[in-house]
Amino acid sequence: NAGVTQTPKFQVLKTGQSMTLQCAQDMNHNSMYWYRQDPGMGLRLIYYSASEGTTDKGEVPNGYNVSRLNKREFSLRLESAAPSQTSVYFCASSETGGLYVQYFGAGTRLSVL
Amino acid sequence: SQQGEEDPQALSIQEGENATMNCSYKTSINNLQWYRQNSGRGLVHLILIRSNEREKHSGRLRVTLDTSKKSSSLLITASRAADTASYFCATGMDSNYQLIWGAGTKLIIKP
Repeated sequence: NAGVTQTPKFQVLKTGQSMTLQCAQDMNHNSMYWYRQDPGMGLRLIYYSASEGTTDKGEVPNGYNVSRLNKREFSLRLESAAPSQTSVYFCASSETGGLYVQYFGAGTRLSVL
Repeated sequence: SQQGEEDPQALSIQEGENATMNCSYKTSINNLQWYRQNSGRGLVHLILIRSNEREKHSGRLRVTLDTSKKSSSLLITASRAADTASYFCATGMDSNYQLIWGAGTKLIIKP
């Protein structure tokens, strides 16, 4: 009954460091998403994967890369972290795109110093 | 850029009162969804209304959709302290795999 699982829950990086945020879903969903949420704002889409083997840029892709490792897993990589990437990151999944409900993980709180 | 805009940005009411929040959007949609986010947590889906529907109910929630005005409202009746959260609308379109999100309404229920 896990749904969408994100790791880690918290992370502090120094400017220039790299890291990968992991996301896995156990609902057999085709589509997966990475969002960032800044204080007082809604969600902004970073990247999404409509189906296994495909990835596409969202609204704010600069500074990020993604990998759809298999149907279950979708990772987000920061190659050289910047303070502007301090945010809360959410992974979500859905059956097929924007026509269906999205299910969210608990989020990763990232601070870049 | 965000398509949905919620109004008001923040709302504070007494427990037991009804809470109404509104969402406006800009382009044609296939469906509109409302989500709740408790402080420090992920978003949880509340209700989905399709473009050919005008009203939908789920427990104490009532959602309306007016496609001619490109707007939706979420009514929470008989509010409870546990309803304190931020509420977001999101729109889905036929030709797009994405949901487009509003900035949210922060609802505070005072005991």
